[in-house]
Amino acid sequence: GAGVSQSPSNKVTEKGKDVELRCDPISGHTALYWYRQSLGQGLEFLIYFQGNSAPDKSGLPSDRFSAERTGGSVSTLTIQRTQQEDSAVYLCASSGTGSQPQHFGDGTRLSIL
Amino acid sequence: DQQVKQNSPSLSVQEGRISILNCDYTNSMFDYFLWYKKYPAEGPTFLISISSIKDKNEDGRFTVFLNKSAKHLSLHIVPSQPGDSAVYFCAATNFGNEKLTFGTGTRLTIIP
Repeated sequence: GAGVSQSPSNKVTEKGKDVELRCDPISGHTALYWYRQSLGQGLEFLIYFQGNSAPDKSGLPSDRFSAERTGGSVSTLTIQRTQQEDSAVYLCASSGTGSQPQHFGDGTRLSIL
Repeated sequence: DQQVKQNSPSLSVQEGRISILNCDYTNSMFDYFLWYKKYPAEGPTFLISISSIKDKNEDGRFTVFLNKSAKHLSLHIVPSQPGDSAVYFCAATNFGNEKLTFGTGTRLTIIP
């Protein structure tokens, strides 16, 4: 498939556990974004990677959230010590250098018990 | 502070008629606007966009209109088809700042 791939598609975990969400962007796309959509809300920006530049972390809601992008391709979003308010759909998107539109994956639905 | 607003959470339109989805924004720095369509359990799919140097962009059945003075844009779908039933998100950004700011979405239902 040529689209953005995210895994897992669903994740249920207990409060306090750490989770890792993975994103494989479209081949050749240098920009990668993470968003989340809470119930009844729009998409909320979390973090943005562009090539080798320092990421824009301005949307991360707390220091429990972090993300890496290895080799300019795959990205992992990590949430430590999960809380119930972290329950949401986490969406990854990618785009060409400095361009729109962003192309989205199908998301990871995270449920914190 | 909701910088992009979609004030209608839902809209029902008869098949074959025109669907009009509205979006308002408050940040005058926004200069590029996009519409995305989302089916359940799928990611948003890009539909159409418009730059602030234009006031209209058309692609097949989809047309986006931008009124900069009113900070308002709208998406017109004509004729509406059952497959258009989905949630539509308006998004905005400004050149040099690639992150998108999204509205809360409008659920469009096309009635056969």
